Order: sequence, then structure tokens, then C-alpha cells
Amino acid sequence: AQSVTQPDIHITVSEGASLELRCNYSYGATPYLFWYVQSPGQGLQLLLKYFSGDTLVQGIKGFEAEFKRSQSSFNLRKPSVHWSDAAEYFCAVGPGGGADGLTFGKGTHLIIQP
Amino acid sequence: DAGVIQSPRHEVTEMGQEVTLRCKPISGHNSLFWYRQTMMRGLELLIYFNNNVPIDDSGMPEDRFSAKMPNASFSTLKIQPSEPRDSAVYFCASSFQGGAYEQYFGPGTRLTVT
Repeated sequence: AQSVTQPDIHITVSEGASLELRCNYSYGATPYLFWYVQSPGQGLQLLLKYFSGDTLVQGIKGFEAEFKRSQSSFNLRKPSVHWSDAAEYFCAVGPGGGADGLTFGKGTHLIIQP
Repeated sequence: DAGVIQSPRHEVTEMGQEVTLRCKPISGHNSLFWYRQTMMRGLELLIYFNNNVPIDDSGMPEDRFSAKMPNASFSTLKIQPSEPRDSAVYFCASSFQGGAYEQYFGPGTRLTVT
């Protein structure tokens, strides 16, 4: 069965500092990987996705993520965070085909210090 | 362009009552997903449909839960009878099978069962 682990429940970062959110997955085949962001009281917004090809993927809002098959990881990064980045971040894995449900991690709550 | 629409946004009901949550997917999308989010269990896939047909309902917690998709533009998730442990945020998402496989989430319905 597929699973996603986000080891950090909370992360606090100073505004302007760099950010890395960790994600490890367990999946028997080539995974489709996603990062979503959820602001309080809102739905989930897709930040970026990885299907194949270049293992470094760029997303919206200045985020990027790197797929490392050997480490079963798909960590999210941003070189300089803004106060508006404070939110809940979810990593998710899904099978290919375009029409199957996703398995989500428990999320990482990002706090931005002024 | 209207995203995924869910109604109601908030629902408060008493234990034992029937609850119906509604979802209108993005026009042209042919896959629809229902997820539930709780503090304890995170985001869980309940059921999904492809071309209005239920494909996997293994995530539906028990027989009190049922979902239908009578046409491509409407789906319901019903809980009968409701229990306090059903209190959660219920998200609907849609995607285009065979496309970029991005699931677009609605704003969610926050259900409180007292």
C-alpha cells in the first residue's frame, strides 16, 4: 500500500530565510508526486507535481521540489519565504492514469517569524 | 472560471440526522473525488468516480455513508444517520482523466455533528 510521511508537524522559519519541507513516500511503482498548500479555512491548491523527466520541478509562488528515487523523497524548497507563505503544506502520491485518488501525508504547518 | 463548487460551506446538525453534501465539478472534468479531513487522520480518500461511475469506495467508513453522481456536473455525499465522529471537513475534487492529472479541490464543507 502506498504511504506518505511528512516528518515535521510544525516548522518555524524567519521571513526571508530559506525553507525545506520533507516528504518521503512508499510506492511500488513510479509514483506521481504532488505538493499542495492549504491556507486556513481554504481548500487545497496545487503547488507543483512530478510525473517523469527532470527531477527538479518548478511550481507556483517560487517553490520547487526535487525527486530523489534512491531516497524515496520529494522535498519542497523555497529560497526566501514571505509571511504569506504561512500555511499547511501537504505532500501526496498517486498512481498514474490521471483518475485515481491521492494518498496524502499528515501535513506540515509552516509558521513565519517576522 | 468557476472552480469546484461545494455546498453548504458549513453544516451543523444533530446526531441521527441525515446530512447531504453537494459538489459541482469543473466543467469538462470526468473524475470526481470525495476526501475527508480530520485532525486525527488527516486527508483521506472516501470514494471516487470516473465518468460518473464509482470506481473505488473502499475509503467509505461504513454503510452510513453513500455517494452518487447522477450526471457529469453533480455529486452528493450522504451520511445517514450522522454521528459526532463524522465531524470533519469534506472536500470534493475533480480532474480530467488523461490530462495533466491535477486534482482541483473545492473549498470544503465543514460538518459539525452534535
